Amino acid sequence: DIQLTQSPSFLSASVGDRVTITCRASQGISSYLAWYQQKPGKAPNLLIYGASTLQSGVPSRFSGSGSGTEFTLTISSLQPEDSATYYCQQLHSYPLTFGGGTKVEIK
Amino acid sequence: EVQLVQSGAEVKKPGESLKISCKGSGYSFTTYWIGWVRQMPGKGLEWMGIIYPGDSDTRYSPSFQGQVTISADKSISTAYLQWSSLKASDTAMYYCARRDSTSWHFAYWGQGTLVTVSS
Repeated sequence: DIQLTQSPSFLSASVGDRVTITCRASQGISSYLAWYQQKPGKAPNLLIYGASTLQSGVPSRFSGSGSGTEFTLTISSLQPEDSATYYCQQLHSYPLTFGGGTKVEIK
Repeated sequence: EVQLVQSGAEVKKPGESLKISCKGSGYSFTTYWIGWVRQMPGKGLEWMGIIYPGDSDTRYSPSFQGQVTISADKSISTAYLQWSSLKASDTAMYYCARRDSTSWHFAYWGQGTLVTVSS
């Protein structure tokens, strides 16, 4: 199985800050990576797919980069509504594993 | 509009069986994979398995193989997740999601079904 390691597991930042979350894969997955945002009591919401393609309707302050084994999700200017948990998921091979999640708190 | 509508919350006792559902609409149900994801209370997302309703090709995560059964009835555009003997540790929120046919991500999700197993 491909393991995904997200870091940090928790971060606290202020409105307007630039925030970066990292996802490392245990083996190469090309660009088969997606990022999701999940708010309490809600289903996950797709933000980024193909490592760097912004899903329709997602604010442009979200961006993704990387390929192979190292990926990043960046929020260029953190907003209050971005308080949530963020997950990466590899789509390269079964089982389609998720990272452990990063909880983002607004200071 | 693509929609995945899941069945309602369930409260069961250990040892009981259960089948929850996920009904797709607004698209060709037989041509997109449907996956299932578990989220235990306060925990992260766990991928359980996936089915292609067109031919019922099914893949399971090793962690869930033999523990659950994924199926689909294409005549009513519905996918299922079932247990033959529930355990307290099956208490969780379960989500279904549709896999994109090109980039393989999951853009459409059901609202979730909360399963509580308690004596």
